[in-house]
Amino acid sequence: AQSVTQPDIHITVSEGASLELRCNYSYGATPYLFWYVQSPGQGLQLLLKYFSGDTLVQGIKGFEAEFKRSQSSFNLRKPSVHWSDAAEYFCAVGGEYGNKLVFGAGTILRVKS
Amino acid sequence: GAGVSQSPSNKVTEKGKDVELRCDPISGHTALYWYRQSLGQGLEFLIYFQGNSAPDKSGLPSDRFSAERTGGSVSTLTIQRTQQEDSAVYLCASSLVGGYSNQPQHFGDGTRLSIL
Repeated sequence: AQSVTQPDIHITVSEGASLELRCNYSYGATPYLFWYVQSPGQGLQLLLKYFSGDTLVQGIKGFEAEFKRSQSSFNLRKPSVHWSDAAEYFCAVGGEYGNKLVFGAGTILRVKS
Repeated sequence: GAGVSQSPSNKVTEKGKDVELRCDPISGHTALYWYRQSLGQGLEFLIYFQGNSAPDKSGLPSDRFSAERTGGSVSTLTIQRTQQEDSAVYLCASSLVGGYSNQPQHFGDGTRLSIL
């Protein structure tokens, strides 16, 4: 069965610093991978997705993620964090049962000025 | 509107009452999903509708939960005889097509359900 692990529950970074949020998945075939962001009281907004092809994918708000099959990882990165990036980030995998996403537990990002 | 619309945004009800949550997907999207987000369980899949096919109900936690989708558009999630453990945010999502596809799911803002 599919599963997603986000090992960091909370991360705090300084504004302007770089960011990397970790995501590891478990799935035998090539997965569909997603990163979503959730601000308080809001739904999930899609940041980026990977289906196939180039393993480095670009998303909205300056985020990117790299798919590494050998490490079963799909880490999210941003070179310079802004205070407005403070939110909760979810990694998700689809594909085994393509109609339902399996989510990680989420990582709460705090940005200090 | 352009996005997935859910109503009500907040619902407070007494234990044992029935509740109905509504989802209006993005126009033209054939696939509709319900998820539940709770502190203890994170984000969990509940049910999936694809066009006129029989829904995938494999994520519904008990027979107190049911959902329908009328006319291939609006969906209603019903919880009967609510329990305190039903307190959660219920999220609806839609995608252009479902199944094994590369179409991402777009989420509404959710309904925050509180059972007293």
